[in-house]
Amino acid sequence: AQSVTQPDIHITVSEGASLELRCNYSYGATPYLFWYVQSPGQGLQLLLKYFSGDTLVQGIKGFEAEFKRSQSSFNLRKPSVHWSDAAEYFCAVGDNDYKLSFGAGTTVTVRA
Amino acid sequence: DTAVSQTPKYLVTQMGNDKSIKCEQNLGHDTMYWYKQDSKKFLKIMFSYNNKELIINETVPNRFSPKSPDKAHLNLHINSLELGDSAVYFCASSQGESDTQYFGPGTRLTVL
Repeated sequence: AQSVTQPDIHITVSEGASLELRCNYSYGATPYLFWYVQSPGQGLQLLLKYFSGDTLVQGIKGFEAEFKRSQSSFNLRKPSVHWSDAAEYFCAVGDNDYKLSFGAGTTVTVRA
Repeated sequence: DTAVSQTPKYLVTQMGNDKSIKCEQNLGHDTMYWYKQDSKKFLKIMFSYNNKELIINETVPNRFSPKSPDKAHLNLHINSLELGDSAVYFCASSQGESDTQYFGPGTRLTVL
């Protein structure tokens, strides 16, 4: 069964600084990888996804993620954080059987 | 023209009651899901329906019964509500087994 680990429970970053959120997955075959963002009291919004091809994936809101098979990682990055990026971020791995397994999430706080 | 909608957004009820949450998607997707997000924000899949057929039933108590009247709707009925059922319930949909899942805004259930 697949699983996802997000090692950082909480990250605080200054507005304008860069952000990197870590995600490690466990899956036997080629994974389908996703990053979702959940703003307070809101549902989950897809930031980006990796299915195949280019290992550097661009998403919405200026986010990107890089798939590294050798490290079983799919880290999310943003060069310059805005106050509106404060939210909960979830990494997820999907299989060919409809199941999406989520990590525990990383809370991002943005300070002025 | 919300893609995945849920009603109600908030639900407060007493222990032992029976309640339902409704979900509708207008994306034309074949597959719909129910997820539970606990107080620690951990997301776990509960059920999945593909073309009105149950395909995923994770170890969920029998008190939870999903119903899919058609491809665009997946409702969740909960009998004899318990305190531990308090959570946010998310509906999602996707086109296929490994495609992106799109989430609804969530229903916050509070059992008193």
